[in-house]
Amino acid sequence: QSALTQPPSASGSPGQSVTISCTGTSNDVGGYNYVSWYQQHPGKAPKLMIYEVSKRPSGVPDRFSGSKSGNTASLTVSGLQAEDEANYYCSSYAGSSNLFGGGTKLTVL
Amino acid sequence: EVQLLESGGGFVQPGGSLRLSCAVSGLTFSTYGMHWVRQAPGEGLEWVSGITSSGTGTYYADSVKGRFTISRDNSKNTLYLQMNSLRADDTAIYYCAKALVGGTFDIWGQGTMLTVSS
Repeated sequence: QSALTQPPSASGSPGQSVTISCTGTSNDVGGYNYVSWYQQHPGKAPKLMIYEVSKRPSGVPDRFSGSKSGNTASLTVSGLQAEDEANYYCSSYAGSSNLFGGGTKLTVL
Repeated sequence: EVQLLESGGGFVQPGGSLRLSCAVSGLTFSTYGMHWVRQAPGEGLEWVSGITSSGTGTYYADSVKGRFTISRDNSKNTLYLQMNSLRADDTAIYYCAKALVGGTFDIWGQGTMLTVSS
């Protein structure tokens, strides 16, 4: 049960796009279309932003999008806004368990 | 409005036990799987345990297997996590989360803090 691999940090200026990667194995990310992404602001509970690789829950702006290729999933935030500055975690179903990535701190410059 | 409210956290000595609860309202609790996810201070998220809607299926991370037990009481709309043989590295905020599909956690509580220290 190893954690998924995310870059520790990412950044972009307002209006730009940023992509965060999440790398696993064929036993998790590559084996199931159950990758999800969570946004967490300091001191707050995580919030679901993307599920089943690319689906957005109601209320999540369409600036957030997800994709997957092989064992790597990606979250893209387009048209960056100040409120997007947060920690982002990917997660994948892995059969009888679930894995999270180590998290990526997104900074809006 | 759906609400998940955790309780039961606190300060425990190594080797001790504690039971966390998660009271759920605003949805038909008995139709959803549930999970516990934790976050050590300054660290990332770690999935701890999950349980099916009926309670017949339970799943655990290797780090807690044999020490933690997840359960639920659908008549009380409440999820539990019994934690035994606690260690310092169990110190974390414990969140309960509602399952959507395939390991997706779509609704989260605000968390309850557990500190294990001598």
